[in-house]
Amino acid sequence: GNSVTQMEGPVTLSEEAFLTINCTYTATGYPSLFWYVQYPGEGLQLLLKATKADDKGSNKGFEATYRKETTSFHLEKGSVQVSDSAVYFCALRGLNSGGSNYKLTFGKGTLLTVNP
Amino acid sequence: DTEVTQTPKHLVMGMTNKKSLKCEQHMGHRAMYWYKQKAKKPPELMFVYSYEKLSINESVPSRFSPECPNSSLLNLHLHALQPEDSALYLCASSHLTSGYQLHTEAFFGQGTRLTVV
Repeated sequence: GNSVTQMEGPVTLSEEAFLTINCTYTATGYPSLFWYVQYPGEGLQLLLKATKADDKGSNKGFEATYRKETTSFHLEKGSVQVSDSAVYFCALRGLNSGGSNYKLTFGKGTLLTVNP
Repeated sequence: DTEVTQTPKHLVMGMTNKKSLKCEQHMGHRAMYWYKQKAKKPPELMFVYSYEKLSINESVPSRFSPECPNSSLLNLHLHALQPEDSALYLCASSHLTSGYQLHTEAFFGQGTRLTVV
């Protein structure tokens, strides 16, 4: 079946530090990959996506590249801000045995805290 | 506009009450979902509607009853809940591609924080 493994953290950084959150996946075929962010007390926001190998998703200074050879989709940001403090979820949509991709498979989430 | 709107934001209900959660989207998405999220956990899928028809029920207890009145609205009716049902309930929606009916990226609402007392 499909699965996502991401570093669980928590991750604590100082403002302007470099961020990497690792995400690797297992899936058949060619899944679509996503990063979602959840700020305290809120729902999930789609941060970025990639739908095929070597695609780079980017948004708000965050980037992630779909690496099929290493089955990875690591999230990076060059200079984090206090406002980036949140939980980050890596997720995939892949085909199941019935040929449908209705299910979003999530990693366990990584809590990021950025200190001023 | 990539907004999914959920009401209410907070709900406290007794174990004998009946209440409903509401969700609305105007993105033309034909797939809509209910998720349940417990603290410090990722969301768990409960139900999937495709073209206003229930297509997936992830073995959810019958005290949760979904309804999709039209392509923009999704409800979740709650009855005789238990304290362990307290959680954040998230609605989401996505496009369905033509042909293979594949689901694209999901957009989530802000959620309803439900407390069962």
